[in-house]
Amino acid sequence: DQQVKQNSPSLSVQEGRISILNCDYTNSMFDYFLWYKKYPAEGPTFLISISSIKDKNEDGRFTVFLNKSAKHLSLHIVPSQPGDSAVYFCAAPDNAGGTSYGKLTFGQGTILTVHP
Amino acid sequence: NAGVMQNPRHLVRRRGQEARLRCSPMKGHSHVYWYRQLPEEGLKFMVYLQKENIIDESGMPKERFSAEFPKEGPSILRIQQVVRGDSAAYFCASSGWQSGNTIYFGEGSWLTVV
Repeated sequence: DQQVKQNSPSLSVQEGRISILNCDYTNSMFDYFLWYKKYPAEGPTFLISISSIKDKNEDGRFTVFLNKSAKHLSLHIVPSQPGDSAVYFCAAPDNAGGTSYGKLTFGQGTILTVHP
Repeated sequence: NAGVMQNPRHLVRRRGQEARLRCSPMKGHSHVYWYRQLPEEGLKFMVYLQKENIIDESGMPKERFSAEFPKEGPSILRIQQVVRGDSAAYFCASSGWQSGNTIYFGEGSWLTVV
């Protein structure tokens, strides 16, 4: 049961344009979402997060939008740079029982390629 | 990735041998998590530990896998009698009161079983 889904395995964007990465979830109990970026042979790096009490969170070139009714979130990168080329994962803590926000359910990831 | 240290980065084991992966959490963090990424898949939660306690091991295979986080020293993920299907990247993450609801990952340990 894939509770967090990233349906686009890959995305190709021209440098300077906007990159939009999408993520859907099925568990209505999820109340916090994170985006991680991962380069080959390295660990995931935290990018940005959003609480379910918000519908938008912005940090520099990165903005995450949350649509709770649609159970959908998206990560916008503007402007995209070649160094942004990596795999992007969305994730949500399975905090049932209030044990921890560290038990994350990850999507399958989207490979972003930004062309110069 | 700052501060979460994992070793070894790469480990090769023959089938039937034991693999031990170590993780030192970020300074000040007392919560450790282990994740596994199989080829062509996303990361999957394995286990959550605090010092001397296993809090949630719902993602751990029932046999051959164990984890500990002793009072002193790093957290250890131990895989006994490895099989080819154990070949994967194993990531450790940590969190503490300073990090809020965010966990930070190490660089990973790549296990290859031959």
